[in-house]
Amino acid sequence: KQEVTQIPAALSVPEGENLVLNCSFTDSAIYNLQWFRQDPGKGLTSLLLIQSSQREQTSGRLNASLDKSSGRSTLYIAASQPGDSATYLCAVISVQGAQKLVFGQGTRLTINP
Amino acid sequence: NAGVMQNPRHLVRRRGQEARLRCSPMKGHSHVYWYRQLPEEGLKFMVYLQKENIIDESGMPKERFSAEFPKEGPSILRIQQVVRGDSAAYFCASSPGAVYNEQFFGPGTRLTVL
Repeated sequence: KQEVTQIPAALSVPEGENLVLNCSFTDSAIYNLQWFRQDPGKGLTSLLLIQSSQREQTSGRLNASLDKSSGRSTLYIAASQPGDSATYLCAVISVQGAQKLVFGQGTRLTINP
Repeated sequence: NAGVMQNPRHLVRRRGQEARLRCSPMKGHSHVYWYRQLPEEGLKFMVYLQKENIIDESGMPKERFSAEFPKEGPSILRIQQVVRGDSAAYFCASSPGAVYNEQFFGPGTRLTVL
């Protein structure tokens, strides 16, 4: 059974810092990994999708890497801004899991002005 | 291109009533997924549907819950005889096709059972 873990559960940093969010998964047989952002009381916004054959994806100040063999992904946020404050979720689609996303518990990020 | 639409955004029901949650996928998407986020818990998969077919309902409670995605119209998640433990945010996602495709989420329906 696939399990996804995100560390840390919460992170608070001053504006302008670069930061890294971590995601690990127990079954390396995945089709893809997706990073999302969730604002309080809102839906999920897809940030980046990494296919199993890829090593990283970039969008603006965001860079996500994938090391499938070790079951890890990182989300790098450069030059953080207060508007980046949100909960960041990592989710995988396992080969054994049809097309359902298995989510981590999320990292609650606060960027202090 | 409008995103995934869900309605209602907020729904209040008394114990024993029925709740109907609707999801219209993005244009061109034929795959719909429902997820539930209980208070202080992570998102959990409930059911995966394609037009007129339930593909995987392994995450859906066996009783009181049902889902459909008819040939015409939105996908419906139906909860009969709601209980307080059903209070949660229910999210719908859609994708254009197979497992390599990104899933796009709607804003969710927040169900409160009194």
